[in-house]
Amino acid sequence: DIQMTQSPSSLSASVGDRVTITCRARQGISNYLAWYQQKPGKIPKLLIYGASTLQSGVPSRFSGSGSGTDFTLTISSLQPEDVATYYCQKYNSAPLTFGPGTKVDIK
Amino acid sequence: EVQLLESGGGLVQPGGSLRLSCAASGFPFINFAMSWVRQAPAKGLEWVSTVSGSDGSTYYADSVKGRFTISRDNSKNTLFLQMNNLRAEDTAVYYCAKSRSAIATAATNYWGQGTLVTVSS
Repeated sequence: DIQMTQSPSSLSASVGDRVTITCRARQGISNYLAWYQQKPGKIPKLLIYGASTLQSGVPSRFSGSGSGTDFTLTISSLQPEDVATYYCQKYNSAPLTFGPGTKVDIK
Repeated sequence: EVQLLESGGGLVQPGGSLRLSCAASGFPFINFAMSWVRQAPAKGLEWVSTVSGSDGSTYYADSVKGRFTISRDNSKNTLFLQMNNLRAEDTAVYYCAKSRSAIATAATNYWGQGTLVTVSS
């Protein structure tokens, strides 16, 4: 099974900062990679699929890139409402493994 | 509006069984793969199982294979998860989730509110 890793595990940044989260697959998964946001006490929300396609209704400050084994989620200008844990997920084949998550808060 | 409403969670002893249900509405149920994803207290998301909408193929995490069975009733727009031989480590909120596609290899674009399963003596 392909394991997913994320870095960092947590980060603290100021409002307006550019934030980058990395997700890595141990084997190539093409662009079968999604990013989810889970705010404290809330259900997960799809942000990006196909590694770089923004889900409808998601603010344009979120973007994704990558292919193969290395992927990034970027928040171009961090907002207070972006405080959340972010998960990547591979879906090229079962198991549809999630990464361990990256917790983002405001400095 | 897509709605996913889980039910069936509760307290069960180790070795016991539970059947979770998820009533879906607001979309053509048969056309989409459906999944169960769980989250243990203060832990991350864990994919549990997916059933495709196209041919009903099923897929399981190794941690539940042989103990859990996913199924769907397309006539009633309902997803199920039969959980047998439950263990303490199965304690989690179980989310019903809708895929973006009929095939299992797709991202999840809607989630239910979750139902809590607690396995304890």
